[in-house]
Amino acid sequence: AQSVTQLGSHVSVSEGALVLLRCNYSSSVPPYLFWYVQYPNQGLQLLLKYTTGATLVKGINGFEAEFKKSETSFHLTKPSAHMSDAAEYFCAVSYNFNKFYFGSGTKLNVKP
Amino acid sequence: DAGVIQSPRHEVTEMGQEVTLRCKPISGHNSLFWYRQTMMRGLELLIYFNNNVPIDDSGMPEDRFSAKMPNASFSTLKIQPSEPRDSAVYFCASSFAGGNNQPQHFGDGTRLSIL
Repeated sequence: AQSVTQLGSHVSVSEGALVLLRCNYSSSVPPYLFWYVQYPNQGLQLLLKYTTGATLVKGINGFEAEFKKSETSFHLTKPSAHMSDAAEYFCAVSYNFNKFYFGSGTKLNVKP
Repeated sequence: DAGVIQSPRHEVTEMGQEVTLRCKPISGHNSLFWYRQTMMRGLELLIYFNNNVPIDDSGMPEDRFSAKMPNASFSTLKIQPSEPRDSAVYFCASSFAGGNNQPQHFGDGTRLSIL
């Protein structure tokens, strides 16, 4: 069965610090990979996606993620956290017909 | 461009009542998804459609739940009769199923409370 694991349901960082949110998938077939962000009382918004080609993907708001096939990982990073980054982040994978498998989410808290 | 539009944004009703949630996907998208989000279970896929045809409804919790997509621009999710455990945020998402790299675009959700 396909699955997505997000390590850490809550991550707290100081403003200006590095943000690292972890995502691993379980599949022998490399999937298509996505990161979404959800702000309170809103739907999920696409941050970035990996399909093929360059394994380092840049997204909106200064976020980027690197696909590492050998580690079956797609971790999300941002060099310097901002207060406005506080939200919940979801990793998702897709294999066919656009059905997505979402991780359980990681809530990012940014301390002043 | 208009995104995915869901209505109502909030719904409060009593147990046993019928609830109908509505979704208008992004124009040109041919896949539509219904999700439910709760604190306990996270984000769950209930059902999805390709070209107005239900493809996978394995996530629909019980026969009380039904979904339709009569045309490319409208879908409904109905709960009858509703129960308190159905309280959740329900999201609709759409995408263009022209390839596996197409992201899903989400609406702002319907927050449903069953008393």
